[in-house]
Amino acid sequence: QKEVEQDPGPLSVPEGAIVSLNCTYSNSAFQYFMWYRQYSRKGPELLMYTYSSGNKEDGRFTAQVDKSSKYISLFIRDSQPSDSATYLCAMVTGNQFYFGTGTSLTVIP
Amino acid sequence: ETGVTQTPRHLVMGMTNKKSLKCEQHLGHNAMYWYKQSAKKPLELMFVYNFKEQTENNSVPSRFSPECPNSSHLFLHLHTLQPEDSALYLCASSQRGGDEQFFGPGTRLTVL
Repeated sequence: QKEVEQDPGPLSVPEGAIVSLNCTYSNSAFQYFMWYRQYSRKGPELLMYTYSSGNKEDGRFTAQVDKSSKYISLFIRDSQPSDSATYLCAMVTGNQFYFGTGTSLTVIP
Repeated sequence: ETGVTQTPRHLVMGMTNKKSLKCEQHLGHNAMYWYKQSAKKPLELMFVYNFKEQTENNSVPSRFSPECPNSSHLFLHLHTLQPEDSALYLCASSQRGGDEQFFGPGTRLTVL
C-alpha cells in the first residue's frame, strides 16, 4: 500500500465551479500536510500548509484535514482558468516528505 | 535572483556523456534536495543535504553523483545515464529538514 494515495485525474471543470481535490494516507504519524500547485514546465509551488485537523482558508482555497479518517482535501471556490495545473499533496513525518502523484486540473472558460 | 534557480532548464544527452545540473537557493535555507519527477509517479526523493552534509541517499544509482559545496549550491553530476533516467529533475530547499520545501523550476532531462 502506498503511503499517500491521490487520484491523478484528469479533472475538468467549468469556470466558476467548486473543485475538490483529495488525498488519503495510511501513516498515522504524519504531522504536517501541504498542497503544492505545479504549472506545466514549472516546479511545484507551496499553496497551503497545515498541521492540525480542521479547515484552513486562504482566499479561494480551503485546506481540510481529517486525521481520524486519514484524509485531506483542497477546495477551490470560483475556479478560474489560471487554476489549471497539477495539484500535489504532501505529508511530513519527522524529516520525511511523502508526495502524492498529483491531480491534473483543467478549468474551462 | 530570488527563490530557487536551476540550470540548465533543458538538457539532452547521450548515454556516454557527462553533464552536471546546478541548483542555487537565495532563501538562506540550510537543507537542499534533489527529486526526480516522472509522469504519473510521485516525486522521488534522491538526495538530501543538511548544512552541506548528505543525510539521505534513497538507493540512487551511482551514475548520479551529488555535490553540495555550501548551503546555497547543489549539483547533480550525471554520467553514463540510461534512457529511463529521462525525467524532470527538481531541486528544493527548506529552512530545516521537515519544513516546507521551495522548489526550483526543474531541469527537463532527455537521455538518448
